[in-house]
Amino acid sequence: AQSVAQPEDQVNVAEGNPLTVKCTYSVSGNPYLFWYVQYPNRGLQFLLKYITGDNLVKGSYGFEAEFNKSQTSFHLKKPSALVSDSALYFCAVRGVEGRRALTFGSGTRLQVQP
Amino acid sequence: DSGVTQTPKHLITATGQRVTLRCSPRSGDLSVYWYQQSLDQGLQFLIHYYNGEERAKGNILERFSAQQFPDLHSELNLSSLELGDSALYFCASSREGNYGYTFGSGTRLTVV
Repeated sequence: AQSVAQPEDQVNVAEGNPLTVKCTYSVSGNPYLFWYVQYPNRGLQFLLKYITGDNLVKGSYGFEAEFNKSQTSFHLKKPSALVSDSALYFCAVRGVEGRRALTFGSGTRLQVQP
Repeated sequence: DSGVTQTPKHLITATGQRVTLRCSPRSGDLSVYWYQQSLDQGLQFLIHYYNGEERAKGNILERFSAQQFPDLHSELNLSSLELGDSALYFCASSREGNYGYTFGSGTRLTVV
């Protein structure tokens, strides 16, 4: 079975400060990892993914994430937060083998204060 | 516009009724996934179809069913609706080798 944990329900950060949204995963074999963002009354928008290769993945809107196999983590980061980054963020995983559907974490609400 | 189209956007219905949600995948995508997003359960995978065939089932209730048609659009049928079925229902599409999943904007179902 595969699973994702997002340990923080909410992350608060001041505009201009760096932000981190945490994610750890469990999957058999190698993982494919994803981050999505959801704005109010909107669908899920893709931010970035790790499939293979460089552990540091760069994505949309200045976000990046670092794959750490030994810690089974895939934390989302941004050097300088914007108020417009305030949204609900989901980490997701699927195994290289087996079921193709993504398994999502419970989500972390990011609140960026002006 | 993500390229994945879901209709209707909103649906209000009474308990015990049956509804059908529709999803048109992005052009060229053969896979369709259905997810349910509720406040207490988060995003739950329901079912996956690939090129008309069921590939995997997740936490889908027996009252729910789905199918994918030859033109690759998919429908999710929800019957004997209960208050607890109120949720956002998303579909996503993908293609082999792409490892990308594109989500539609969802159907918000309210059961009263």
